[in-house]
Amino acid sequence: EVQLVESGGGLVQPGESLRLSCAATGFSFSSYEMNWVRQAPGKGLEWLSYISNIGDTIYYAASVKGRFTISRDNAKNSLYLQLNSLRAEDTAVYYCVRLNYDLLTLDYWGQGTLVTVSS
Amino acid sequence: DIQMTQSPSTLSASVGDRVTITCRASQSINRWLAWLQQKPGKAPKLLIYRASNLQSGVPSRFSGSGSGTEFSLTISSLQPDDSATYYCQQHDNYPYTFGQGTKLEIK
Repeated sequence: EVQLVESGGGLVQPGESLRLSCAATGFSFSSYEMNWVRQAPGKGLEWLSYISNIGDTIYYAASVKGRFTISRDNAKNSLYLQLNSLRAEDTAVYYCVRLNYDLLTLDYWGQGTLVTVSS
Repeated sequence: DIQMTQSPSTLSASVGDRVTITCRASQSINRWLAWLQQKPGKAPKLLIYRASNLQSGVPSRFSGSGSGTEFSLTISSLQPDDSATYYCQQHDNYPYTFGQGTKLEIK
């Protein structure tokens, strides 16, 4: 069974940093491209970042480029998102999402981890 | 970026009703459109990909159609468990973008 389990969320002050992790099980993690998507409280979904299966291709949304960094460790079956210079508007649930290379779409989502940026 | 616009924003219907949600893309995305279902406090779940392909395990009362810039999600016979927010999402190219969501309420 495919499972994606995010961790690392919490309450931080504006300007601070946080590192989110996503532990993947139930599939060959190193074969799959991965993404992060977030959802502000009561709002819609916003794609944030993509990383290829070996990490050589990375994309970011304009809203987080230069502040967030995606990475992965295939030996640990883990995906990461480093969040720097956090702002109140970054408050959201952050989801780790798999890209299915056969369907060419996002197929499995983690349960999410909540990041709250507030003074 | 490709803008995705859904309608309606909210929808109220009765069990057994046929329900349709539409999604429009700001430019052609061929058939690279997915539909997601999200229930309160839960992660989104993939229902349909490439406009009309039903994801494994999704009930056959869900169907999708469309191509280019106009798409629709239809629930043929609404069930109580279908109460949720539905999102369209283009997977033609990055940045992937989502519609604003349609909240479906069961009367």
